[in-house]
Amino acid sequence: GESVGLHLPTLSVQEGDNSIINCAYSNSASDYFIWYKQESGKGPQFIIDIRSNMDKRQGQRVTVLLNKTVKHLSLQIAATQPGDSAVYFCAERSGGFKTIFGAGTRLFVKA
Amino acid sequence: DAGITQSPRYKITETGRQVTLMCHQTWSHSYMFWYRQDLGHGLRLIYYSAAADITDKGEVPDGYVVSRSKTENFPLTLESATRSQTSVYFCASSPDRVQTGELFFGEGSRLTVL
Repeated sequence: GESVGLHLPTLSVQEGDNSIINCAYSNSASDYFIWYKQESGKGPQFIIDIRSNMDKRQGQRVTVLLNKTVKHLSLQIAATQPGDSAVYFCAERSGGFKTIFGAGTRLFVKA
Repeated sequence: DAGITQSPRYKITETGRQVTLMCHQTWSHSYMFWYRQDLGHGLRLIYYSAAADITDKGEVPDGYVVSRSKTENFPLTLESATRSQTSVYFCASSPDRVQTGELFFGEGSRLTVL
């Protein structure tokens, strides 16, 4: 069946370091892979997405990498800041815009 | 204000009662979604809708009913609430664009079933 999972449930990094959050997926038919950030008490907020025919996409301080060979997705955050502390979810979109989320990784940024 | 709004934000009910969570969006987005998020977990898809009068089951549809008579509204009904349905419910919407996978989320409705 379809599943989206995460390798690390909790990640702690020093302010200014780079963060890497990983995700595994199983549905090869997904057309988009998406990263969301969720702060306490709020709804998920879109960070960046990548289409299935791409390997890499960069945004402001964030980069998403897609490795279709091993069905792996990662989010890289450059120069991590205290405001980046949150839970990060990967998600995949398949037919009919059906979007399935992974379990989430909590990112702690130490000052 | 424009955007996606959920109501009520907080609801306490008893086992067996019917509860309806409302979701309204002002963008005229084609797609709408309902997710539930249990404490310390990810979001699980309950139902989604591609347009008015078109709905489809997600990962965990049992115990829930949805309707979409108008594009802007997507209510979620728990016909007979159970304690296992205590959760935070998020509504989301998406335009009918193939160039992005982005969903726009509401602030959530926290439901407690006693």
